[in-house]
Amino acid sequence: EVQLLDSGGGLVQPGGSLRLSCSASGFTFTNFAMTWVRQAPGEGLEWVSTINGVGGRTYYADSVKGRFTISRDNSKNTLFLQMNSLRAEDTAVYYCVKLWSFSYGHIDSWGQGTLVTVSS
Amino acid sequence: DIQMTQSPSTVSASVGDRVTITCRASQSISSWLAWYQQKPGKAPKLLIHKASTLESGVPSRFSGSGSGTEFTLTISSLQPDDSATFYCQQYDSYSYTFGQGTKLEIK
Repeated sequence: EVQLLDSGGGLVQPGGSLRLSCSASGFTFTNFAMTWVRQAPGEGLEWVSTINGVGGRTYYADSVKGRFTISRDNSKNTLFLQMNSLRAEDTAVYYCVKLWSFSYGHIDSWGQGTLVTVSS
Repeated sequence: DIQMTQSPSTVSASVGDRVTITCRASQSISSWLAWYQQKPGKAPKLLIHKASTLESGVPSRFSGSGSGTEFTLTISSLQPDDSATFYCQQYDSYSYTFGQGTKLEIK
């Protein structure tokens, strides 16, 4: 059974940094692209970033480009999202999700989400 | 970026009703479309991918159709457990945009 355990969320001041982690199990981690999706309170879903199976290709939403960095440690089955220069509008539940294939595709598994609150 | 537009934003229906939700893409995405169901306080769940392929374990009352720019999600006979918000998502190209969501209420 696929399991994705998100962690690292919390309260941070505007301009601050935070690093999210996602521990994966139940599948061969290196064979699948991984993605972060976020959801602001009471709002819809927003794609944030994707990384392919070996970490060689990364993609970002314009809203986070230059501030967020996605990475993965395939030896530890862990996905990361380094978030810098945080803004109030980054406040959201962040979901770690697994894509269907090595580099693209639909989302077939979701983590439970971790809440990031950017506020002074 | 490809824009995804869902309609309606909210729908209210009775148990046993047939419900249809529409999703339109701003440009052709072939059949690279998925539908997700989200209940309050929970992560979304995959219902359908590649526009019409039902995910394993999803009840057969859910079905998807369409290609190009227009897609539909149909619930053939609404059940009380179907109360949720439904999202479409394109995965034809990055960014993987979602529709704004359709909230389904049971009368």
